[in-house]
Amino acid sequence: AQSVTQPDIHITVSEGASLELRCNYSYGATPYLFWYVQSPGQGLQLLLKYFSGDTLVQGIKGFEAEFKRSQSSFNLRKPSVHWSDAAEYFCAVALKAAGNKLTFGGGTRVLVKP
Amino acid sequence: DSGVTQTPKHLITATGQRVTLRCSPRSGDLSVYWYQQSLDQGLQFLIQYYNGEERAKGNILERFSAQQFPDLHSELNLSSLELGDSALYFCASSDPGQSYNEQFFGPGTRLTVL
Repeated sequence: AQSVTQPDIHITVSEGASLELRCNYSYGATPYLFWYVQSPGQGLQLLLKYFSGDTLVQGIKGFEAEFKRSQSSFNLRKPSVHWSDAAEYFCAVALKAAGNKLTFGGGTRVLVKP
Repeated sequence: DSGVTQTPKHLITATGQRVTLRCSPRSGDLSVYWYQQSLDQGLQFLIQYYNGEERAKGNILERFSAQQFPDLHSELNLSSLELGDSALYFCASSDPGQSYNEQFFGPGTRLTVL
């Protein structure tokens, strides 16, 4: 069955430390890949997306993600976390053949320690 | 600000009632998507409309229905409400001119069923 998995439900990181959020997908073809962020009480904001080409994608707020086809992964990274990065992060995939609807992972909640 | 608006922001109602959630997409976007975010189910795709026509259906209950009007705004109707329908309902829109799918999300409507 097609699925998106974010193995980490919660991650706590110190301010200034690096952050990596994991995302794995299970699809027959390579889907379009996205990372969204949801701050408390807010909607979803797109951080970055991958459709094709360079497997290292740069996004907003200093985030980047790397697509690894062999591992069916699309992990999100940030070299130095700021307190404002505390939020919930969602990996999502879309298949053009499936009408481009987004299928989301379960989310990873990031807590930032001072 | 994504350019997608949703009203109302909050809605509190009782079981058995019917409510209507409204979404206005970004200017020029023809596709509207509805998603439900709940604690137990996570973020789930409900339904998609494209230029007034239903395009794709996800895990949408029969008690729920949606439509997209000629001015492209969309409404999600939820009837015979149950406690389990309490959730955050998001609307998203996308530009049909894009070959890929980047969806812009509204701030959501938080529905509480008492």
